[in-house]
Amino acid sequence: QVQLQESGPGLVKPSETLSLTCAVSGASISSDYWSWIRQPPGKGLEWIGYISYSGSTNYHPSLKSRVTISEDTSKNQFSLSLKSVTAADTAVYYCARLRIVGPTSDFDYWGQGTLVTVSS
Amino acid sequence: SSDLTQDPAVSVALGQKVRITCQGDSLRSYYASWYQQKPGQAPLLVIYDKNNRPSGIPDRFSGSNSGNTASLTITGAQAEDEADYYCNSRYNNGNHWLFGGGTKLTVL
Repeated sequence: QVQLQESGPGLVKPSETLSLTCAVSGASISSDYWSWIRQPPGKGLEWIGYISYSGSTNYHPSLKSRVTISEDTSKNQFSLSLKSVTAADTAVYYCARLRIVGPTSDFDYWGQGTLVTVSS
Repeated sequence: SSDLTQDPAVSVALGQKVRITCQGDSLRSYYASWYQQKPGQAPLLVIYDKNNRPSGIPDRFSGSNSGNTASLTITGAQAEDEADYYCNSRYNNGNHWLFGGGTKLTVL
């Protein structure tokens, strides 16, 4: 059974950098694609980006200038860094596995999510 | 449009059939997947690859695609199906992913 677990600070000050880690068990991050998705309180889901099995990355156009997703294959985990945060970045952040097969794709396993609040 | 559009809210009587739709140009090229989210929980994949259910998802859930519209159908809605439902697909360029705005399903 694939399991994902997010970890990181729950409170970040405006203009600082949000950093989260997703620990993966039951699967290798050297296979498939691994994504971050967020959900502001009371709102919908927003895809942030992914890191692939080969280490390549792909980010949402609106966040591209502030986002970095990296990996640590020795620990089987991947990380999110979002710089220059504002209150608009307050959200529950989820990590998830992204499967891509031709024209079909889906996020089949998700972490439980972690709330990050941006406030001074 | 590059967006995925869903009705904000839909209601269904207990035991009846309900369809939740998702419209977007990208659905002409890419299949939608569907997620159920209950309060305080992570989203749960319920339909993938047009009309496949992950293990453990009841067979009352089904999916379909036609043109720029994807649909999630629940045949015989149960009280536990009350939740928010999100569709997801790729952008037309195939390089990014987007979610619909979500549909809040109420089971009466």
